[in-house]
Formats: sequence, structure tokens, C-alpha cells
Amino acid sequence: EAQVTQNPRYLITVTGKKLTVTCSQNMNHEYMSWYRQDPGLGLRQIYYSMNVEVTDKGDVPEGYKVSRKEKRNFPLILESPSPNQTSLYFCASSLSRNVPYNEQFFGPGTRLTVL
Amino acid sequence: GENVEQHPSTLSVQEGDSAVIKCTYSDSASNYFPWYKQELGKRPQLIIDIRSNVGEKKDQRIAVTLNKTAKHFSLHITETQPEDSAVYFCAASFTSGTYKYIFGTGTRLKVLA
Repeated sequence: EAQVTQNPRYLITVTGKKLTVTCSQNMNHEYMSWYRQDPGLGLRQIYYSMNVEVTDKGDVPEGYKVSRKEKRNFPLILESPSPNQTSLYFCASSLSRNVPYNEQFFGPGTRLTVL
Repeated sequence: GENVEQHPSTLSVQEGDSAVIKCTYSDSASNYFPWYKQELGKRPQLIIDIRSNVGEKKDQRIAVTLNKTAKHFSLHITETQPEDSAVYFCAASFTSGTYKYIFGTGTRLKVLA
């Protein structure tokens, strides 16, 4: 089944404890992206990747890191989480080779709470 | 910077009536405008999209219109049904040197039976 998966789905952690949220897609998509969703603010793009080893900042990259060592995986890393990073996180992917004109397929979401 | 404004933030309509959600974008280089529907507790899913070389696109009860001059695009849902109740997000893809997506803040649509 074609899909985007994220793990974990729920995570409660403490300030400063490094964490990684994994994202994987099995559709051979070029473009992958991370978003955070907060009430009243919609979806805000954190980072995106056009292809392996190519990543770029979205609108709200501060406090986050990503890597794209393999085409199917795009992990989101919080080196030192803070309470303002408490949010619902979505990974997404789309087919596009050069420009993101295609449908983005979203993962199921990861609800992160930082105490 | 790039921005997408979406209105209204909430919308209630009677079943069978039409619903219209409007978005305005800031970057004239934007050339792709998708609409996503997010049901409660679920992930966003694409319902319709339009490219900048097209003025209108329809898919059954859903239509999107684009006015590039005014930098507006709108979602139209006709003959609304209770299952249309959800949060709807517009987005604009910016390709002037970057490949970002900017989403609107969402519209919570309630269809009253």
C-alpha cells in the first residue's frame, strides 16, 4: 500500500532531551516536507527536500534539523526541544521531479508535547 | 515575505447550500494552488488544485477559481452535505528560487443538517 508513515505517533518529552521523528514513504517520491500544525496558525512548513542530500528551510526552521540520506526517509530532529515546539507534526511527500506541482501525501501526524 | 490569507476562519451553512472560502496570496510568482480537507483527527488530503495557467477547475460539487491579477483564489462547494464538515486549507506553492508551500490558516466548515 502506498503510504507515508511517521513514528512515533505520540511523544511526551522534557525540555532539552534530543529526539527524532522518523518519516518514510514507499512511493519513490522526490519531494518531502515537514509541517507543524498549531491552532489558528494552520500548517507551517519547517523544512523540505527536493531530493537526496538536498534540503532547504521552510517558514519556521528554527530549532529543527533534517537529513535526506535516502530517498524514502526524511527524519526530523529536535536537538534541544523547548515547550514552544509542542505541536502536531506532519510529514508529506510528492512525486515532482523539479517543482512541487503534484499532490502532497501526508503522514498520519505526530503529536509532540515538550514539558 | 510570502503569505497566504484565508477567510473566513469559520463558516456554517445549511445542508444543500453553497460554501465559498477565499484566499489571497502575496507572491505573484506563485503558480500552483491546492486545497486540502482535514477531517477531525485525520491528516490533510488534497481535494482539488489549480495551476496558474487555468482560471477555473471543477470536480463534481467542488470548484476552484483563480484570479492571478488580483492574487485571489477561491473554493466553491455546492449542495453541501454533512460529510463536507471539516477544516479546509488553501496553499500556494512558490517557485521563485525556492519550492516552499505556504498554507492559509484554515476554515472550519460546519454543514448543519
